[in-house]
Amino acid sequence: NAGVTQTPKFQVLKTGQSMTLQCAQDMNHNSMYWYRQDPGMGLRLIYYSASEGTTDKGEVPNGYNVSRLNKREFSLRLESAAPSQTSVYFCASSESGTGNYGYTFGSGTRLTVV
Amino acid sequence: QKEVEQNSGPLSVPEGAIASLNCTYSDRGSQSFFWYRQYSGKSPELIMFIYSNGDKEDGRFTAQLNKASQYVSLLIRDSQPSDSATYLCAVSGGSNYKLTFGKGTLLTVNP
Repeated sequence: NAGVTQTPKFQVLKTGQSMTLQCAQDMNHNSMYWYRQDPGMGLRLIYYSASEGTTDKGEVPNGYNVSRLNKREFSLRLESAAPSQTSVYFCASSESGTGNYGYTFGSGTRLTVV
Repeated sequence: QKEVEQNSGPLSVPEGAIASLNCTYSDRGSQSFFWYRQYSGKSPELIMFIYSNGDKEDGRFTAQLNKASQYVSLLIRDSQPSDSATYLCAVSGGSNYKLTFGKGTLLTVNP
C-alpha cells in the first residue's frame, strides 16, 4: 500500500544545476499534480496532468517542466535551479478528473538551492 | 483568480475543548470542499470532505458548509494534543478539478 511515492526526499543543488523529481502512484489514479509549499505561501500548483498524455500549467510553472511518463508516473524537472526554487515539493494524485475525491499526497521532497 | 482564505492562527485551545477552524472562498462555482491536516514536516492528509450545504460528521470532526455565504468550517470536538497541526482548507469546482488551497491555520491543543 505505497500510495504516492516521491524521490528523492532531500536534495541540495547548486545554482544552475538540473534535476528531476520523481513521482509514482499505485492507486490507478487518472490525475496527478505537482505543488510547492513555501512558508506563508501555502500550497501552490506548479503543473498537473488530468490524464495520461496530457499536462497543463498551474499557478507557478516558470522554471519547471513535467513529463507524464505513463499512468503511474509524473516527473518534475528543474532545468537550471535557482535559489527561489528552494521549497518543499509535493506530488499528489486523485481518482477522478473532477477532483471530487480529494488528493493523496506523497511524502514530499525538500529541495535547497544554494 | 480563485482564493481560499483562512486565519493563519495560531489558534490555541485547551485539551478537551472544541476547536473551530474557518475558511472562506471566492468562487461561487466551487462544488467540493476538503479539510487536510498537516503535521510539521509531513505531507497533507485528507480528514474530511463535504459537497452539500449543512453538516457532515465523522467521529470528533464536523465539517460545515454554507454555499450562500461561501463559508466552510471544521469543528474538532474533545481536542487532543495530537490534533496540534496545520489545517488546510481546499476547494474545487465544476470542470476545474484542481484544488485551490488556503494557507492553513495552525492549531495548538494545550494539555
